[in-house]
Amino acid sequence: NAGVTQTPKFRILKIGQSMTLQCAQDMNHNYMYWYRQDPGMGLKLIYYSVGAGITDKGEVPNGYNVSRSTTEDFPLRLELAAPSQTSVYFCASSQSGREVYYTFGSGTRLTVV
Amino acid sequence: AQKVTQAQTEISVVEKEDVTLDCVYETRDTTYYLFWYKQPPSGELVFLIRRNSFDEQNEISGRYSWNFQKSTSSFNFTITASQVVDSAVYFCALSMNAGNNRKLIWGLGTSLAVNP
Repeated sequence: NAGVTQTPKFRILKIGQSMTLQCAQDMNHNYMYWYRQDPGMGLKLIYYSVGAGITDKGEVPNGYNVSRSTTEDFPLRLELAAPSQTSVYFCASSQSGREVYYTFGSGTRLTVV
Repeated sequence: AQKVTQAQTEISVVEKEDVTLDCVYETRDTTYYLFWYKQPPSGELVFLIRRNSFDEQNEISGRYSWNFQKSTSSFNFTITASQVVDSAVYFCALSMNAGNNRKLIWGLGTSLAVNP
């Protein structure tokens, strides 16, 4: 099915461990985003990309890294997991052009203990 | 700077009541888009509506309606004859259409509880 696919859906990490959250879209969208949602809060932008090879920081980039080697994939890397990174992570994509729509993945629930 | 404010943190109603969720936004851009999303307890984000800044027509979709007023920078959402299945967190969001500004800015959400 077309859309944004996030893996894994759930993950428990120990403090100091590393992991990569995967995000892939098959709609040929240029724009991709990573958001985090803390309990009872709205979504905050971590990183975004306007095309392959181009990434930029959002509101809360500390502790994360991204890369965009292809149009389809936009992985989010946590190098040294901390309890403050316990959150739900959403990946999204948007096409370029005049019309603005967003497609969201189903989210990754990450717990750091 | 762009900002979205949802002043109502939590709303509780009894089934069949009408309820309005408020959204006030700030932007200096003349071209922008406003969205409403629903987040049920299962956690996914469900797209409800998109409105661009040049279209001030109100919209109705079944029991849902939206009132967009540029003069007051508001984009309010009304559920008529609420149902228990409407219980969720509702988010209002703002996006511009320019290059690196093309990202969603979210309100903090309004948690709606519809009680039987």
